[in-house]
This record gives sequence, C-alpha cells and structure tokens, in this order.
Amino acid sequence: EVALLESGGGVVRPGGSLRLSCAASGFTFNDYGMTWVRQVPGKGLEWVSFINWNGGSTGYGDSVKGRFTISRDDTKKSLYLQMNSLRAEDTALYHCARVIGGAIFDYWGHGTLVTVSS
Amino acid sequence: QSALTQPASVSGSPGQSITISCTGTSSDVGGYDYVAWYQQAPGKVPKLMIYDVSKRPSGVSSRFSGSKSGSTASLTISGLQAEDEADYYCCSFAGSSTYVFGTGTKVTVL
Repeated sequence: EVALLESGGGVVRPGGSLRLSCAASGFTFNDYGMTWVRQVPGKGLEWVSFINWNGGSTGYGDSVKGRFTISRDDTKKSLYLQMNSLRAEDTALYHCARVIGGAIFDYWGHGTLVTVSS
Repeated sequence: QSALTQPASVSGSPGQSITISCTGTSSDVGGYDYVAWYQQAPGKVPKLMIYDVSKRPSGVSSRFSGSKSGSTASLTISGLQAEDEADYYCCSFAGSSTYVFGTGTKVTVL
C-alpha cells in the first residue's frame, strides 16, 4: 500500500531554516515525480514545489522561489524540502504527494506543520 | 502564478446538479489539458476526483464530471448527495514543472 509520511516540521523564527522530509513506501519511488503542497489551517491549498522522477527537473511557486529547494534521495525513498529565509507567511501544513501526470497528485501524506513565529 | 479563480461557495439540494468553475489564463488552464479536481473533506487530505480535464480515476462516482472551455474549467456534480459536502479545488499544470491551485469552493448540500 502506498504511504507517504512527512516529518521535520516545527517552530522556527523568521529568517530561520527548516528541512522537511517525506518517506515513501509501497511503490517504486524512482519511477515517480513528487510534489509539496501547503495549506494554512482553514485556508486553501497552495502548490509549493515539484521534482521529476530523476531529479532532473524542478519547479517552484513564486512565493518560495529562491528560498526553498526540493530534492530527493532514491536510495532512501525520500523527498526533501529545504526551506531557508522563512517568513511568517510560510506557516502552514506541508503535504508531500506523488505525481503521476499533469496535475495528478494521486497519493498524499497527512502533512507536517511548520510555524514561523518570533 | 496567480491562483485560479473559483467561487467561494456553491450550494444545492439533494438530487440537484451543481457546477464549479475554475478560471485561469492561457498560461495554465487555457494552455494545457492538465486540469485536475480535488475534494477535501474536513480534516482529510485532498482526494483526486477528475484529471486531464474530464477523466475519472477508478472508484470515483460517475456523478462527477469535468470539462473545459478556453481558460475556464468546470466540475459538475450531478445527483448531489450529503456526502459530497466538502471543499473542492481545481489544479492546473502551468508549464516548466509548475502547477497552480484554485482558490477553493465550499460545497454545501442544503
């Protein structure tokens, strides 16, 4: 069974850094693109970043471009999101999801909460 | 990458049909046939309901259908049921490995 488990969230001060992880199981990880999506509790979904199956192509939302870096380690079946220069508006629940095609995010993790506050 | 525009809320009585619109630009919805719709019930993760504008994943009720005209995609729920009450989000590929979600629509079954 496909499972995605995020970790690494927590409370960080503005300007600080955090690295999120997403551990995948139940499928051949290196066959799929992966993505990060965030959601402020009670608000809408915001797409954050994408990485293709071999790490050769990445994309970022305008609000995080230049501050966040997505990466993957296929040997560990893990996806990462390095978040630098964090701002209060980055506070959200961060989900990782498997990508099987254009805008097709078929499996989602339950998310890890990031709070940016002084 | 501006969020796609959806109505904040749509409501209908059981058995009725409702349609949710998702308006973008030629750089996203209008430029690609890669529009998906997600249903998110309270406290749950999003669930894929429609992909590639109008295709339904296995297990999704045929009461859900999708379409697109120009830069506006639509999700129609026919035979509305109480279990359909949730938030719905459209999502489009926007080129160069980027995506964009809609603003979200709360569906209420009266």
